[in-house]
Amino acid sequence: AQSVTQLDSHVSVSEGTPVLLRCNYSSSYSPSLFWYVQHPNKGLQLLLKYTSAATLVKGINGFEAEFKKSETSFHLTKPSAHMSDAAEYFCVVSGFSGGYNKLIFGAGTRLAVHP
Amino acid sequence: SQTIHQWPATLVQPVGSPLSLECTVEGTSNPNLYWYRQAAGRGLQLLFYSVGIGQISSEVPQNLSASRPQDRQFILSSKKLLLSDSGFYLCAWSGQGVNSPLHFGNGTRLTVT
Repeated sequence: AQSVTQLDSHVSVSEGTPVLLRCNYSSSYSPSLFWYVQHPNKGLQLLLKYTSAATLVKGINGFEAEFKKSETSFHLTKPSAHMSDAAEYFCVVSGFSGGYNKLIFGAGTRLAVHP
Repeated sequence: SQTIHQWPATLVQPVGSPLSLECTVEGTSNPNLYWYRQAAGRGLQLLFYSVGIGQISSEVPQNLSASRPQDRQFILSSKKLLLSDSGFYLCAWSGQGVNSPLHFGNGTRLTVT
């Protein structure tokens, strides 16, 4: 069975400082992993995905994530936070079951960015 | 490029009234289609998914139903809304591949009064 745990429900940073959003996963086989961002009252936007190629994945808006199999982690980082990064972020693990992509969503991490 | 349209953006309905939310995808064929619900302060719950026309699978028992009358059209319905049906409803599509990510619409905020 697959699962995903986002270790922080809320993260607060100052503008211009680094961002770290933590995610651990559990999977019985090599997973596909994703990070999504959701701004208030909007749909989810794909930030980046890991699909067993390079372990360091670069996404949109300066975000990147590193797949660490030994630690079963897929943490999301950004060197310098911008006010527009304030949103909710979801870590997602994917499995293929019954002919469709069964995505398991984490509970989300709300990122606040202060001036 | 592929786009997904979902409407309406907001909806206020009384208890016991019917519901119809529509979602269409453009720029791709034979997508997998999904309906999710996001309750306030909670994560996403998969309600229905479809791998083809007329093929609907339900993840959780509920007051809602889904239909896929055309390849790129996905409809979420209810005959009689309950207060507990309030939430943020998201439609999504993915390709057929194992590693295909989901692409979401902008959502519908449903308030049942």
